[in-house]
Order: sequence, then C-alpha cells, then structure tokens
Amino acid sequence: RKEVEQDPGPFNVPEGATVAFNCTYSNSASQSFFWYRQDCRKEPKLLMSVYSSGNEDGRFTAQLNRASQYISLLIRDSKLSDSATYLCVVNRGNDMRFGAGTRLTVKP
Amino acid sequence: DGGITQSPKYLFRKEGQNVTLSCEQNLNHDAMYWYRQDPGQGLRLIYYSQIVNDFQKGDIAEGYSVSREKKESFPLTVTSAQKNPTAFYLCASSMAGTDVYEQYFGPGTRLTVT
Repeated sequence: RKEVEQDPGPFNVPEGATVAFNCTYSNSASQSFFWYRQDCRKEPKLLMSVYSSGNEDGRFTAQLNRASQYISLLIRDSKLSDSATYLCVVNRGNDMRFGAGTRLTVKP
Repeated sequence: DGGITQSPKYLFRKEGQNVTLSCEQNLNHDAMYWYRQDPGQGLRLIYYSQIVNDFQKGDIAEGYSVSREKKESFPLTVTSAQKNPTAFYLCASSMAGTDVYEQYFGPGTRLTVT
C-alpha cells in the first residue's frame, strides 16, 4: 500500500462548480500536511498547509481528520485557471511523502 | 529575488555517460532535497541534506550521488549505474529543524538518456 493515496482523476468540471479531492495516509506519526499544485511540466507549488482545525484560503478549504488519516481539499467556484494536478503531501520531520496527484480540468 | 534555480531546463545524454544537474538556492535554507518524478507517479526522494557537508540517502539513491560543499548548492550526479535515468528531476529546499516546514521547488530539469 502506498503511504499517501489519492484518486488520480481526472476530474472534469464546469466553471463555477465545487469540487473536492481526498487523500489518505498510512503513517499515523505524520506531523504536517500540505496541498501543492502542479501545472503541466512545471514544478509543484505550495497551495496551502492543512491544520487540524481546518483552514480556508479564499475559494480553497482544507480539512484534516487525524483519526481517519484523511485530508481533503475543497475548491469552490472553480476557475479555468484552477486546472492543474493537486498533490497531497504528508510530512514527518524532513521525510516528505507525496501522493501521485489528482488531475483537475475546469471547462468553460 | 529569492528562489531556487536549476540548470539546465532540458538535458540530453547518451547511455553510459554521467551527468550533473545543478541546484542553487538563495533562500538561506539549511535543508535541500532531490526528487525524481515519472509520469503518473508521485515525487520520489533521491537524496537530502540538512546541513553543509552532510547528506542522506532517500528511497531511490542507487545510481545517484550528491555533494553539499556550500549551503547554497546541492548538485546531483546521475551516474551510468542508474538504470532508468530519463525523468523530471526536481530540487527543493526548506528551513530545517525539529519543526516541520514546507518545501519550495526549483523549476526542474528534464533529463533524457538515449
């Protein structure tokens, strides 16, 4: 079993839709959690950290459930520019584990 | 501007040749990392370094070597012993310490070996 698992998608949604991505991790000692965004043939860029209490940044909301070892990302009012691959990242100290990513395409 | 630079962006080599990928950062980060990314897979850790003159193997270190002589620089050599070297190579850096910090990535180098 992979340490970080994500639904690979692709998710194809119309502009303005709400879309949610899920991620599960296997190591209960994991300390920190992040969502990164990766555009085609580019480097990953930090989208947001994920806190235990849940956190929101504009149209993006991240949730963490430590008991179920589950992380989610919700995107509201999708824009064409949200089209990318979203990577779930789980960190234990300097040991960072990446999911394979979920691809999102937002269509007009 | 602070950031991480990698060069070159594209690199082509013949089988059997060693090749060195450059990574430089001016973020004053202590920790630096090398990953490779293959289509449809997550990033896999090759090597990391938390301090100058020290580095550790990651999950897929075989066929690779690194050095960390300066805080700003963490070059990766892909040797002829690496069986499937064609990949997208990403360098990252972060603050180090007992707390956990996010990593910042360079633009990557696409290596093609034929």
